[in-house]
Amino acid sequence: DSGVTQTPKHLITATGQRVTLRCSPRSGDLSVYWYQQSLDQGLQFLIQYYNGEERAKGNILERFSAQQFPDLHSELNLSSLELGDSALYFCASRGGQGLVGEQFFGPGTRLTVL
Amino acid sequence: AQSVTQLDSHVSVSEGTPVLLRCNYSSSYSPSLFWYVQHPNKGLQLLLKYTSAATLVKGINGFEAEFKKSETSFHLTKPSAHMSDAAEYFCVVSGVTNTGNQFYFGTGTSLTVIP
Repeated sequence: DSGVTQTPKHLITATGQRVTLRCSPRSGDLSVYWYQQSLDQGLQFLIQYYNGEERAKGNILERFSAQQFPDLHSELNLSSLELGDSALYFCASRGGQGLVGEQFFGPGTRLTVL
Repeated sequence: AQSVTQLDSHVSVSEGTPVLLRCNYSSSYSPSLFWYVQHPNKGLQLLLKYTSAATLVKGINGFEAEFKKSETSFHLTKPSAHMSDAAEYFCVVSGVTNTGNQFYFGTGTSLTVIP
């Protein structure tokens, strides 16, 4: 158990809908990262937050947004969903601000868009 | 720019034989490199990390990796494979870009262990 929790575990929805994925980092970790894992794109970095502020952006679509709240949990919002958004979404957390710390991954949320 | 290339998408070994999973990296900076493992329907777990200290890095479960700057490689090895090693393995490079600190994953290598 990494100490990172994600809810829900599974989510099934329809095209055009909007969903929210939630992540609670390890106790004391200030950084939260979001990743998307799909069969055709592999594991892709989406976005990072550090202590409530956006710190780095990867291949995140404009239809997607995220935020980190004062209690350090984070939410990833996916809107106008398309079939291609079906994937496993991981959250990871890290304690330090530097480059070299490992990331601790949650179990993921599997999103299915029908 | 940072990137990693995992040279084999699938590797199959017999139980008790050595494991070699290959990774080459590209980085504009002195890189930090990681190997993660993902078992079926599980999250990713860190195996080991290189952070500019010793070039031979030892990780969990008997895995190790050697950082070779001249070859831009960070191959993962294990002397003797166990059935429990069957999983997906990801090589990762970390670096600073103009949009911040990012992590780049390879496409993964699926390891099969034959009894």
